[in-house]
Amino acid sequence: RKEVEQDPGPFNVPEGATVAFNCTYSNSASQSFFWYRQDCRKEPKLLMSVYSSGNEDGRFTAQLNRASQYISLLIRDSKLSDSATYLCVALNTDKLIFGTGTRLQVFP
Amino acid sequence: NAGVTQTPKFQVLKTGQSMTLQCAQDMNHNSMYWYRQDPGMGLRLIYYSASEGTTDKGEVPNGYNVSRLNKREFSLRLESAAPSQTSVYFCASCQSLNQPQHFGDGTRLSIL
Repeated sequence: RKEVEQDPGPFNVPEGATVAFNCTYSNSASQSFFWYRQDCRKEPKLLMSVYSSGNEDGRFTAQLNRASQYISLLIRDSKLSDSATYLCVALNTDKLIFGTGTRLQVFP
Repeated sequence: NAGVTQTPKFQVLKTGQSMTLQCAQDMNHNSMYWYRQDPGMGLRLIYYSASEGTTDKGEVPNGYNVSRLNKREFSLRLESAAPSQTSVYFCASCQSLNQPQHFGDGTRLSIL
């Protein structure tokens, strides 16, 4: 079983839709969590950190549920430019563990 | 600001050849990392350097060596390339181990 698991998708949604991704992690000792965005043939870029209290950055909301060991990313009012792969990441001791990513395709 | 710079961007090797992938960061970060990314596998850590003068194995270190030349530079060497090492290689850095990482734009390596 992978330490960080994500639905690979793709999620195909129309512009303006709300879409949510979940991610589960197996190591209860994971200290921190992040969402990264990766465009095709590009490097991963930090989208946002995930806090226990939940956090919002514009159209993006991240939540952490330690009891159930999952994190989520909600994207509201999807834009064409949101089309990318979203990587769920857990920090274990001194290493980042990456999920394989969830692909999002927003269509007009 | 260049951030994290990787060279080369593309490389084709024959089986058994050696090469070194270069990585440099100008953010004065302490920690540096090498990953490989393969379809369906996600990013996997090869080696990392928590601080200048230290290196540690990651998840998939076999067939690779690293050198933390100074605080800025962290190189990855393939001594005898194998087709299984065909991948996209990313270098990353961060200020400290519990911080999010900044990535270079990758090296696409093909081994024939």
